[in-house]
Amino acid sequence: GAGVSQTPSNKVTEKGKYVELRCDPISGHTALYWYRQSLGQGPEFLIYFQGTGAADDSGLPNDRFFAVRPEGSVSTLKIQRTERGDSAVYLCASSLGLTSGLTDTQYFGPGTRLTVL
Amino acid sequence: AQSVTQLGSHVSVSEGALVLLRCNYSSSVPPYLFWYVQYPNQGLQLLLKYTSAATLVKGINGFEAEFKKSETSFHLTKPSAHMSDADEYLCAVSSYSSASKIIFGSGTRLSIRP
Repeated sequence: GAGVSQTPSNKVTEKGKYVELRCDPISGHTALYWYRQSLGQGPEFLIYFQGTGAADDSGLPNDRFFAVRPEGSVSTLKIQRTERGDSAVYLCASSLGLTSGLTDTQYFGPGTRLTVL
Repeated sequence: AQSVTQLGSHVSVSEGALVLLRCNYSSSVPPYLFWYVQYPNQGLQLLLKYTSAATLVKGINGFEAEFKKSETSFHLTKPSAHMSDADEYLCAVSSYSSASKIIFGSGTRLSIRP
């Protein structure tokens, strides 16, 4: 079946602009995660959704970052007033969710590469 | 708090030689441990995971890892390297209390010499 998809694959924007990054999880997965990967680093957790609600948003770096998942499927990561330091690959992952047990495997998408000029 | 340290940002081995990628973790609670491989422009794929069952974990593509609590290590090995194994490998940790939040190491790039 189809895996996690993310659009766009690349996004170039100017400092101060607003961007939206989209994630389509695997069908039937109730849990969705966003990570940010800077050059030369491992992915860094941003936020986790269980269904429509954000169960853990402790990784969001500041209030310029916001994510939604209004219908419990597709999610959008929104970044306001972008800064050059926001340049990174933004990864999305999905998993079956809490009902599948504690060893819930996360399946990752290919990522969106964001460049802020 | 949890953290992961991957020793060596770049490892190079000859084709057919043993692959050993080192990972040490820090966790105040019993950890779950993972190894992922990151393909260019394709995201991460889970190689194997430890979740408090057998300490020797076998994964895909001939890789395995051993959980050693006394050494706080979870090193990844493969007996014989193939050219197709050249990629970025990421070690990661989570726990029962925060199973959804995976903490990744900074990665090790594996190169294979012909």
